Amino acid sequence: DTGVSQNPRHKITKRGQNVTFRCDPISEHNRLYWYRQTLGQGPEFLTYFQNEAQLEKSRLLSDRFSAERPKGSFSTLEIQRTEQGDSAMYLCASSQQGDPTPLHFGNGTRLTVT
Amino acid sequence: QQQVKQSPQSLIVQKGGIPIINCAYENTAFDYFPWYQQFPGKGPALLIAIRPDVSEKKEGRFTISFNKSAKQFSLHIMDSQPGDSATYFCAASVTGNTPLVFGKGTRLSVIA
Repeated sequence: DTGVSQNPRHKITKRGQNVTFRCDPISEHNRLYWYRQTLGQGPEFLTYFQNEAQLEKSRLLSDRFSAERPKGSFSTLEIQRTEQGDSAMYLCASSQQGDPTPLHFGNGTRLTVT
Repeated sequence: QQQVKQSPQSLIVQKGGIPIINCAYENTAFDYFPWYQQFPGKGPALLIAIRPDVSEKKEGRFTISFNKSAKQFSLHIMDSQPGDSATYFCAASVTGNTPLVFGKGTRLSVIA
């Protein structure tokens, strides 16, 4: 069990650019979640997958955000036309199917939009 | 609308003290209540969790107290240590239905 891996750890981009983050979950976990965390706040749910199916999307996930999980393994989160308000820590978590099961979080990707 | 309200925002205790962090919720359908611990630069990690069929759960120095009628639950850390200094988040979900919703966090500092 190598844990949830997220890359890159840090990303600085200019407003209007597109960015993509990657998450590799714990291998036997079939559920994968994306959360966003801003300074002084708790993680806010964005979306989650069970295997390759995207089961739920938060209203926070605007049209500029898209997430994929091809083949039910790693996942990518893309933000198009970034805005300064997108600056945050993007956290990925995975869990086994079954409820409730603990979420295992990665260490996040910190995005700074200048 | 914040689904889980956490207090206090920050807390400073002496080593050996018993910090208490409180959370309140409105959705009576919630049936899973975990607490997560987060250190700077790291993702949150599960500390302890409780279901509403029990009023208290203890794991090591960490205890959750749950009051279903008041829709409140709290985390107690016994014999707190400087290594417990971190941000703590309560969370809640409806089993099999919704992803976890988190409180805003409590930043705990344990001073020697």
